[in-house]
Amino acid sequence: KAGVTQTPRYLIKTRGQQVTLSCSPISGHRSVSWYQQTPGQGLQFLFEYFSETQRNKGNFPGRFSGRQFSNSRSEMNVSTLELGDSALYLCASSPLGQSNGEQYFGPGTRLTVT
Amino acid sequence: KNEVEQSPQNLTAQEGEFITINCSYSVGISALHWLQQHPGGGIVSLFMLSSGKKKHGRLIATINIQEKHSSLHITASHPRDSAVYICAVREGNTPLVFGKGTRLSVIA
Repeated sequence: KAGVTQTPRYLIKTRGQQVTLSCSPISGHRSVSWYQQTPGQGLQFLFEYFSETQRNKGNFPGRFSGRQFSNSRSEMNVSTLELGDSALYLCASSPLGQSNGEQYFGPGTRLTVT
Repeated sequence: KNEVEQSPQNLTAQEGEFITINCSYSVGISALHWLQQHPGGGIVSLFMLSSGKKKHGRLIATINIQEKHSSLHITASHPRDSAVYICAVREGNTPLVFGKGTRLSVIA
């Protein structure tokens, strides 16, 4: 089975722009979770989608949004980028959700905001 | 909200040494995860446990629910074990809360 894939792997954007990141889960997995990792804050939960519905949301501003499609692929969007949004964005998939077992992480998208 | 503390923050060991990484949390949990992150950024799930002990190859994870503490042990450490090890906990259906990680360097 193919693992979790994320595109793009690297991205450079300018303050004020918006960005969309994509995550394709392992085939058959219905849950996709998104995380932000920065040197200062470590890993922080952004949101979880399960069967196209947002199940949980972390403590991030409304500039961060996401969605999940019927094939379980997920996208997250960050609008009006700020320098502090520079981070590694990781997604993880699981068959039944965060609260029901292990998660399988993708390689991440490294976003740099200048 | 659960607070997760890991110790040590950084650890350097000689090849072959026995290594222990600790994780403490503040509120009762339903599960604890140990994750490994290599320099490229990818994260691998090592263990998920809610009680007792699990072993996989040279890695052993234990958890003491009463003391709100878990340890990750690496026996006969090897340079390829060099990575950041992250502890994460979950209460019920709430999202994972992560520790800041322990950076391990194993020198040949």
